[in-house]
Amino acid sequence: GAGVSQSPSNKVTEKGKDVELRCDPISGHTALYWYRQRLGQGLEFLIYFQGNSAPDKSGLPSDRFSAERTGESVSTLTIQRTQQEDSAVYLCASSSRGGQPQHFGDGTRLSIL
Amino acid sequence: AQSVAQPEDQVNVAEGNPLTVKCTYSVSGNPYLFWYVQYPNRGLQFLLKYITGDNLVKGSYGFEAEFNKSQTSFHLKKPSALVSDSALYFCAVRDDNFNKFYFGSGTKLNVKP
Repeated sequence: GAGVSQSPSNKVTEKGKDVELRCDPISGHTALYWYRQRLGQGLEFLIYFQGNSAPDKSGLPSDRFSAERTGESVSTLTIQRTQQEDSAVYLCASSSRGGQPQHFGDGTRLSIL
Repeated sequence: AQSVAQPEDQVNVAEGNPLTVKCTYSVSGNPYLFWYVQYPNRGLQFLLKYITGDNLVKGSYGFEAEFNKSQTSFHLKKPSALVSDSALYFCAVRDDNFNKFYFGSGTKLNVKP
């Protein structure tokens, strides 16, 4: 597709379960970002991938959060042993290279019961 | 550290009137500033950016922003507001060293007919 695609669009799960969120960036975009947006709040940086460089994981809130990216394609964000405070919209963005304006997906709305 | 502040949670304006959404920034080097808009249940869309050059930057949908170095501000403006401009607006600054973006908390713009 032409834009950033995220799946699932909505995810409801029980506390303690693991979840995996997927992001398909725009083809050819070397930079990929994950953000968390809590209800009524701004964006919280989680992780940044740039090409084959080591990712910037400085925004991950705990060791329950991890992310991977295969080359310059799909990325997955995994949250283990989910907690209620993990409930948020998780946004993925890509850009042609680091620092350029980002193209955002519509996000995954995660609800932890 | 880089940061942006959006002092207004909400801005109300009548259709046809000019609008301003405020943003101030704090950076340790050159400021690289961005505005994004978010419609309900959607990701963010890029509006405009300031990297260097003219202080008045023109962007999408008739929006513009004025960079003011002495006041460390980057306010978003539009001469004549439309009801369809009602959305959430985010200001962001880029960390020049690490290509990370720091977003403000967002300002909800309400344009009334």
